[in-house]
Amino acid sequence: KAGVTQTPRYLIKTRGQQVTLSCSPISGHRSVSWYQQTPGQGLQFLFEYFSETQRNKGNFPGRFSGRQFSNSRSEMNVSTLELGDSALYLCASSYDPHSLLGDTIYFGEGSWLTVV
Amino acid sequence: AQKVTQAQTEISVVEKEDVTLDCVYETRDTTYYLFWYKQPPSGELVFLIRRNSFDEQNEISGRYSWNFQKSTSSFNFTITASQVVDSAVYFCALSGASGSGAGSYQLTFGKGTKLSVIP
Repeated sequence: KAGVTQTPRYLIKTRGQQVTLSCSPISGHRSVSWYQQTPGQGLQFLFEYFSETQRNKGNFPGRFSGRQFSNSRSEMNVSTLELGDSALYLCASSYDPHSLLGDTIYFGEGSWLTVV
Repeated sequence: AQKVTQAQTEISVVEKEDVTLDCVYETRDTTYYLFWYKQPPSGELVFLIRRNSFDEQNEISGRYSWNFQKSTSSFNFTITASQVVDSAVYFCALSGASGSGAGSYQLTFGKGTKLSVIP
């Protein structure tokens, strides 16, 4: 069973540009979440999508956005990149973390973004 | 608000020693879930365990064991007979389930503990 797949793995962008990251969840999983990891702030929740709807959003500026497609694949976009956006962006997949018994959340390898 | 504290920033042990990684959490949710993840240098967060708040049984999986104590809000992780391959950053995480609003089910992570196992 394939895991969570994120593309691209590494990318370098210039300040002011925008970037789109892609995530393919585990087959059958309907929830996709995104996290940002930086040395200073650690792992922080960006947003969660379930059945093409954003269910939760973290405390990030509007430059950070995302969407989910009918096949559960998700993309996140960061516009007007700033140096501080340099980070590892991790995508997480689960069937439904809101289920009463909870759910295991699996992560991809992440996309390393460097803004210069 | 939820909070996870991993007080140990870095730990170094000699191979074959036992090591315990501490995790203390805070939450007002009545039902919640605790996780441990391992992050090797490649970046991927590797799932190790999920524990529901209503299940306080400790768990053992090979050389790994977890001690969940609701009374002290702790969910500690022990590696027995450590190996070099155990070297990584380990994260403890918490998610809630009270339905109290936006963010209830997001994972709140600790800062991580970097474990170095020396041959």
